[in-house]
Amino acid sequence: KAGVTQTPRYLIKTRGQQVTLSCSPISGHRSVSWYQQTPGQGLQFLFEYFSETQRNKGNFPGRFSGRQFSNSRSEMNVSTLELGDSALYLCASSFQGIGNTIYFGEGSWLTVV
Amino acid sequence: DAKTTQPNSMESNEEEPVHLPCNHSTISGTDYIHWYRQLPSQGPEYVIHGLTSNVNNRMASLAIAEDRKSSTLILHRATLRDAAVYYCILRDDTDKLIFGTGTRLQVFP
Repeated sequence: KAGVTQTPRYLIKTRGQQVTLSCSPISGHRSVSWYQQTPGQGLQFLFEYFSETQRNKGNFPGRFSGRQFSNSRSEMNVSTLELGDSALYLCASSFQGIGNTIYFGEGSWLTVV
Repeated sequence: DAKTTQPNSMESNEEEPVHLPCNHSTISGTDYIHWYRQLPSQGPEYVIHGLTSNVNNRMASLAIAEDRKSSTLILHRATLRDAAVYYCILRDDTDKLIFGTGTRLQVFP
């Protein structure tokens, strides 16, 4: 079956712009979470959605937001981009529940210039 | 958030066993121990998880200390494709994973 799909894979934005990243979870998965990975900070949790509701949020400024649609697809948005937002953004999905495996997509590489 | 401590790096030769340690002294009774690995330019990949008992799957084995304050991921025969960063994570009943710095495993032919 298809894995977690993230689009776009690569993008370049200018400081001050905004960006929207998309994630299609594995079919049947209702939980979607987002992570940011940078060389300096490593992998950091952004937020988690289940059935269109945000269940957890990491320590990121309000410029980072997300949402989940009724078909479980999710988007995250970063407004007023800063150079430090350059990172690999990873989406993950699961059936939800501690016994279920979390599957990651290949990520979206964002470069802010 | 419960934290884990892992060595920054480890080395192994191909076809030799590898034991990757993890300390998690602040683990709570309901936290599961999960291991993920990340190959270059890829998203993290699930390896194995357990609660109290040792676990085996086709990729690896997980040995959990009796007091659950530490665990060891065992790769029985390392291959070059096992070269990756391995993360030991304590997971609660949500999908929020708190990644540490992980262990970078190098495998030599």
